Amino acid sequence: AQSVAQPEDQVNVAEGNPLTVKCTYSVSGNPYLFWYVQYPNRGLQFLLKYITGDNLVKGSYGFEAEFNKSQTSFHLKKPSALVSDSALYFCAVREWRDDKIIFGKGTRLHILP
Amino acid sequence: GAVVSQHPSRVICKSGTSVKIECRSLDFQATTMFWYRQFPKQSLMLMATSNEGSKATYEQGVEKDKFLINHASLTLSTLTVTSAHPEDSSFYICSAGRDTAAGEAFFGQGTRLTVV
Repeated sequence: AQSVAQPEDQVNVAEGNPLTVKCTYSVSGNPYLFWYVQYPNRGLQFLLKYITGDNLVKGSYGFEAEFNKSQTSFHLKKPSALVSDSALYFCAVREWRDDKIIFGKGTRLHILP
Repeated sequence: GAVVSQHPSRVICKSGTSVKIECRSLDFQATTMFWYRQFPKQSLMLMATSNEGSKATYEQGVEKDKFLINHASLTLSTLTVTSAHPEDSSFYICSAGRDTAAGEAFFGQGTRLTVV
């Protein structure tokens, strides 16, 4: 069964600095990988996905993520953080033959002004 | 992106009553929808997969008689919490995928259920 690990409960970054939110995954076949963001009492907003192709994926709001097959990682990055980036971020995985999306436990990102 | 609408956004009910939550795909058809439950400061727990025209598939540990799922059309799935208790209070989120091959799912805005 597929699984996702987000090792950090919280990440604090100063505004303007680069940010990284870590994610590793486990699937039996080729993975579909996703990042979502959640603001308080709201549903999830899709940020980006990796299906196939370039390992560096660019998404919404200036975010990007790098797929690393050998390390089974899909870390979320942004070159320059904004205070408005503060939210809860979820990494998720889907096996290519399954519709179910499984989520990591989430990482709370605090951008300090 | 595709739009998934969930209603109501908030509901308060008394113990022992039932509550229905609706999930609609507004601009696409969804043969499959998913229902998640999110506890405070925790991740989303997949409860069940809702299949249009057939029975839902429940995850291990989820009571199918308590959480009734109906997917009567390609744009609507409902989750009914029956005989609700305070421990059922939670944030419930639905999702639907427009195109399985493309991968991503789109989420409703969530429903905050409080059972008093």
